[in-house]
Formats: sequence, C-alpha cells, structure tokens
Amino acid sequence: ETGVTQSPTHLIKTRGQQVTLRCSSQSGHNTVSWYQQALGQGPQFIFQYYREEENGRGNFPPRFSGLQFPNYSSELNVNALELDDSALYLCASSLLGTQRTQYFGPGTRLLVL
Amino acid sequence: QQQVKQSPQSLIVQKGGISIINCAYENTAFDYFPWYQQFPGKGPALLIAIRPDVSEKKEGRFTISFNKSAKQFSLHIMDSQPGDSATYFCAAQSSGSARQLTFGSGTQLTVLP
Repeated sequence: ETGVTQSPTHLIKTRGQQVTLRCSSQSGHNTVSWYQQALGQGPQFIFQYYREEENGRGNFPPRFSGLQFPNYSSELNVNALELDDSALYLCASSLLGTQRTQYFGPGTRLLVL
Repeated sequence: QQQVKQSPQSLIVQKGGISIINCAYENTAFDYFPWYQQFPGKGPALLIAIRPDVSEKKEGRFTISFNKSAKQFSLHIMDSQPGDSATYFCAAQSSGSARQLTFGSGTQLTVLP
C-alpha cells in the first residue's frame, strides 16, 4: 500500500508569483483535502476534492484553487503569492463515506520572499 | 473563531512520567475526535481517535478521555519515552459533506531521558 506523497518538498517563490503543489493519494482513497500549516500552528483546512469536484472549502480566498484528477491525485494552485502564504502545505487523503481518518503526506514547505 | 482550544502549548515530562494534553471544543456538530502526532519535517500521523458515545479509549500507552457534557477531551501518554517527543494536535470533525478536520494549536512535548 502506497502512502500519500507530495512534491516538491521545498519551494521558494517571490511575492506575486504563482505556485503549483502536487499530491498523490493513498491507494484506494477517493478524496483529497489540502491544509495550510503556518509555523507553530495547527493545520487549517483549505478545501477538499471528491470525484474531481470541490466538496468543501475553508476560509481561504479564491486565489487558492485546486484540481483532482481521475487517478485521485491532486494539485493546489496559489496565485498572486503573498508573504503570509509561507507555510507547510499538507495534503490528506481519505475514503469518503466509509472512513473518518485522513492520512497526511509529508507536506511541501513554501517560502515566499 | 478558534473552535478547538488546546493546552498546554508546551510540556516537559521526565521519562516514565505521564503526559496530559487537554482540548475543548465549541461546535456540538463535531462527532469524531482524532489526535495526531507530528515530528519535525513530517506530516501529522494519526495516533488515536474517539467518538462521543465513548468516554474513554485506550491503545497501548495512549488513552483518550472524553467528556461530552463539558465538551472536553484529553490525551494521556503513560510511561512517556524520549521517542514520544513531538508536537501533538487534537482535532475535531463533523459528519458534514467535507468532513474537514479542525485542529487545535498544538502541544510541543519534550520527554527528558
């Protein structure tokens, strides 16, 4: 069984740029959720994708967008990067409907200068 | 609005001692309460979880105590070991469509040898 993987592990961008982060779900999972974890804080829910559609969204602006592909992998896109976007971005996969547990990947550390 | 409050922010325990971390929630729609363990540079990993129809759940050295009327739950780590040194997050989840996790702010546990 393959766990959740994310790429890249680290990324440095400048303010105003755009970034794409990628996530591969755990085998057999149909749902991907993205979280932002600022330094020293708990993860905050960004949005969730189920069957290639957004299934819920936290308190994040529209410049945070995502995609889910038929193989259940996912992308998180952030446009017009701001300094406050610097954080660890976590992807979590789950099997919506039968399981409550979300399994997290190792995250992508984004630094915006 | 912080829906899950976690304390203490940091905790130092001697090897063999008991570590206790407390959380309180506000939203009565929450019906699943997991605890996650996170090591530096890693994503959160599920430790143990409880539903509100149970007052206590034990898995090895880890026990969750749940008080539904007080809307509080806690994690007890018995016989704490230096390898338990990590950041611990409580979380809460409702049975809504997205089932997003709402995390506490985290507790940094240090177990001294």
